[in-house]
Amino acid sequence: RKEVEQDPGPFNVPEGATVAFNCTYSNSASQSFFWYRQDCRKEPKLLMSVYSSGNEDGRFTAQLNRASQYISLLIRDSKLSDSATYLCAVNEDNFNKFYFGSGTKLNVKP
Amino acid sequence: GAGVSQSPSNKVTEKGKDVELRCDPISGHTALYWYRQSLGQGLEFLIYFQGNSAPDKSGLPSDRFSAERTGGSVSTLTIQRTQQEDSAVYLCASSSFGAGEQYFGPGTRLTVT
Repeated sequence: RKEVEQDPGPFNVPEGATVAFNCTYSNSASQSFFWYRQDCRKEPKLLMSVYSSGNEDGRFTAQLNRASQYISLLIRDSKLSDSATYLCAVNEDNFNKFYFGSGTKLNVKP
Repeated sequence: GAGVSQSPSNKVTEKGKDVELRCDPISGHTALYWYRQSLGQGLEFLIYFQGNSAPDKSGLPSDRFSAERTGGSVSTLTIQRTQQEDSAVYLCASSSFGAGEQYFGPGTRLTVT
């Protein structure tokens, strides 16, 4: 079983739609959680950290569900520029090791 | 300020040759990570440095892979006797100590022919 799993998608949505991705993790002792965005043939860029209480940054909302061991990313009012692959990252050992999901691809269509 | 830089950006090598990949982290970042990403795949964790020490080398795929970091800054990843399955993008990231958020370099695209 993989440490971190994501639905690969693609999620094809129209502009203005709301879309949500989940990311499940296997180790209940995982400590820190992050969402990254990766454009085609580019490096991942940090989108947001995921806090226990949930956090919001503009159109983006991240939540953590420890009981069910998943994190989520909600994007409201999707823009064409949101088209990318979204990777979740989970840290297990005091930042010594991170596990990344394989990513969920989002296509926002006009 | 300057981000993470990596060199070379592209490397084509013949099977059996050794290659050395370089990473310059963000100034002041004490944590440095190496990952490998094959086409269409997620990131595979290779190794982590805190300062110059690497507490966990278990992510390195084989004993052909080694990494070092000197002066708490630049890191090199060396792959000896390259194989075709080593072809991938090798990404380096750095982070402030205790922060968790990682900043990635543009990667080195390695092709083994």
